[in-house]
Amino acid sequence: QSALTQPASVSGSPGESISISCTGTGSDIGGYNYVSWYQQHPGKAPKLIIYDVSNRPSGVSTRFSGSKSGNTASLIISGLQAEDEADYYCSSYRITSPVFGGGTRLTVL
Amino acid sequence: QVQLVESGGGVVQPGGSLRLSCAASGFAFTSHTVHWVRQAPGKGLEWVAVVSYDGSNKHYTDSVRGRFTISRDNSQSTLYLQMNGLRPEDTALYYCARDYVPTGSYYFDYWGRGTLVTVSS
Repeated sequence: QSALTQPASVSGSPGESISISCTGTGSDIGGYNYVSWYQQHPGKAPKLIIYDVSNRPSGVSTRFSGSKSGNTASLIISGLQAEDEADYYCSSYRITSPVFGGGTRLTVL
Repeated sequence: QVQLVESGGGVVQPGGSLRLSCAASGFAFTSHTVHWVRQAPGKGLEWVAVVSYDGSNKHYTDSVRGRFTISRDNSQSTLYLQMNGLRPEDTALYYCARDYVPTGSYYFDYWGRGTLVTVSS
């Protein structure tokens, strides 16, 4: 069982917006603003798309955004595109180690 | 460009040992904190271990502490993971990952393609 809880799957149509939640505790998400999100396409290595809750690394599309409220973080993808179909993982700092969510499979209908 | 290339994976019996390597290039390896992250087949990501830029600080996830040892050779731009006392639950694709912040942030901005470790009798 993963330390952070994500929905197993979400779906949306091209052009729509979707949100993926990530629920932790006061010892991780709720205690620190060190939340990140990764996108992983099948057979590929993960890619960092959000860090520090809501910041995007250089080169990441502005269609990806992040937020946090209490013990729950969220990844929002706007203007869904076919290439967004992938697995998404959240991660949070917890003392001396990061923890991950179980992953969410995004299907673009 | 930044490249991380893992090697050393394979099939090993429970209780056995393996040493993974990660050859880094395209960036100042001596200035960067680096990690091992693993992914069991069809499962999610799990952070395994981290070593600071100079090798002086190391941390491990609870399930591998005392069995795995992370190290680095900055003269060779190479990261290692010595794995002893392997268990079936250690079966996974092991990724080498660079920390986004050189001094350490637990964000991973570059990843290798991974090396597969299978623990089975």
